[in-house]
Amino acid sequence: GQQVMQIPQYQHVQEGEDFTTYCNSSTTLSNIQWYKQRPGGHPVFLIQLVKSGEVKKQKRLTFQFGEAKKNSSLHITATQTTDVGTYFCAGLNNDMRFGAGTRLTVKP
Amino acid sequence: GAGVSQSPRYKVAKRGQDVALRCDPISGHVSLFWYQQALGQGPEFLTYFQNEAQLDKSGLPSDRFFAERPEGSVSTLKIQRTQQEDSAVYLCASSPWDALYFGPGTRLTVL
Repeated sequence: GQQVMQIPQYQHVQEGEDFTTYCNSSTTLSNIQWYKQRPGGHPVFLIQLVKSGEVKKQKRLTFQFGEAKKNSSLHITATQTTDVGTYFCAGLNNDMRFGAGTRLTVKP
Repeated sequence: GAGVSQSPRYKVAKRGQDVALRCDPISGHVSLFWYQQALGQGPEFLTYFQNEAQLDKSGLPSDRFFAERPEGSVSTLKIQRTQQEDSAVYLCASSPWDALYFGPGTRLTVL
C-alpha cells in the first residue's frame, strides 16, 4: 500500500536558522498537503500542492512538489519560536495518508 | 463558523468494554475521515466516508472497529471489546473537497 515517509523525525534549531522537512511517497500522488500540529493540538491545514514541480510560498514558508509527484519539501526561513510544532505531509492517492511528521523545536 | 466537534474529549475504558466516539463535521462537508494518532506519531488512516457511503475502511485495525455515517453528517466510530493497544487519540476530519479540517480528537485510554 501507499507509504509516506518523512525526514527528519526531529529538528532542533536556534531561532533565526532555517528548517527543512522532506516527504517521500512510494507511489505517485494526486496531490500533497502539509499540516502543522502544535503540542496538545490537532493538525491544521497549511497548503495543498497539485501540479508537478509546483512551488508555493506563505511568508517564510516555501513548499515544493517534486517533478515526479512522489516527493515534497517544506522550508522555513529564519525560524521563530511560533514555528514550534510537528509538521506533517499527507499524500492523496486513493485516500489521504500522513507521514510520521517532523517535530520542530526552536531555541530562543 | 463552527468547526468539527468530537465527543467525548476524553474516555477511559476498562479492557473489554465497548466505546462509541462521535464526530460532528462542518455542515455541508461531503467527506469525513477517521484517524488514529498514537503519541509522537502521525495520524494513521482508519476509514473514509463520502456522504453516507463508506468508501474505504482499509485502515481499520480489526473487526472490532466499526464506523458509520448513516445520514451523511454525524459519524460514530465504535470499538468493541477494547484492548490496551487501542489507547490513542482518535481524530475526525471533514473536508469540502481539498483540505482536511480536524476536530480536537477523543483521547481514549484503555486500562
